[in-house]
Amino acid sequence: GAGVSQTPSNKVTEKGKYVELRCDPISGHTALYWYRQSLGQGPEFLIYFQGTGAADDSGLPNDRFFAVRPEGSVSTLKIQRTERGDSAVYLCASSFIQGPLYFGPGTRLLVL
Amino acid sequence: GQQLNQSPQSMFIQEGEDVSMNCTSSSIFNTWLWYKQDPGEGPVLLIALYKAGELTSNGRLTAQFGITRKDSFLNISASIPSDVGIYFCAGQPTQGGSEKLVFGKGMKLTVNP
Repeated sequence: GAGVSQTPSNKVTEKGKYVELRCDPISGHTALYWYRQSLGQGPEFLIYFQGTGAADDSGLPNDRFFAVRPEGSVSTLKIQRTERGDSAVYLCASSFIQGPLYFGPGTRLLVL
Repeated sequence: GQQLNQSPQSMFIQEGEDVSMNCTSSSIFNTWLWYKQDPGEGPVLLIALYKAGELTSNGRLTAQFGITRKDSFLNISASIPSDVGIYFCAGQPTQGGSEKLVFGKGMKLTVNP
């Protein structure tokens, strides 16, 4: 398919564990975004990449959260020492420069 | 920080009825976007608005970018059962894309056949 893909679709982990969430953007899109969506809320911005660099990481809640995009395409969101409050849907989106954002289906993270 | 107030929070309508929803902001946005989200899916872009006063249609959907740049509305005409879902407004604080979106809390639409 030509859309944004995210893996895994669901992730269950235990408190304190480390998790990685992967995003494959639409081919050719230079910008990539991570958002987090809690139940009954709209998506909240986490971090935005332009190419390989994080242009804006102001939405990352704390230093347990980190994201990379080493080759300017696929991105990985990494969460260390997970807490129950990290449970949410993590959405990835991509866009061309000055274009609208297209979202993937999300990864549903549950921290027990 | 920037916040979007989206209303109403939910609506229950009969198939065939029209529905309107709006979004207001405490600050100016240069782009307004409307998304629809189905259960278990990511938001899907419906309409993008780039100019103050712009009125854009996409099939049965019509959206407008308010003159003040602080509001937008979305209308759905002749609703059908597949219109069920959660509708989000979103604003971008700078021209065009490649900047973070600020989302409303969503409007849950239920359509009774």
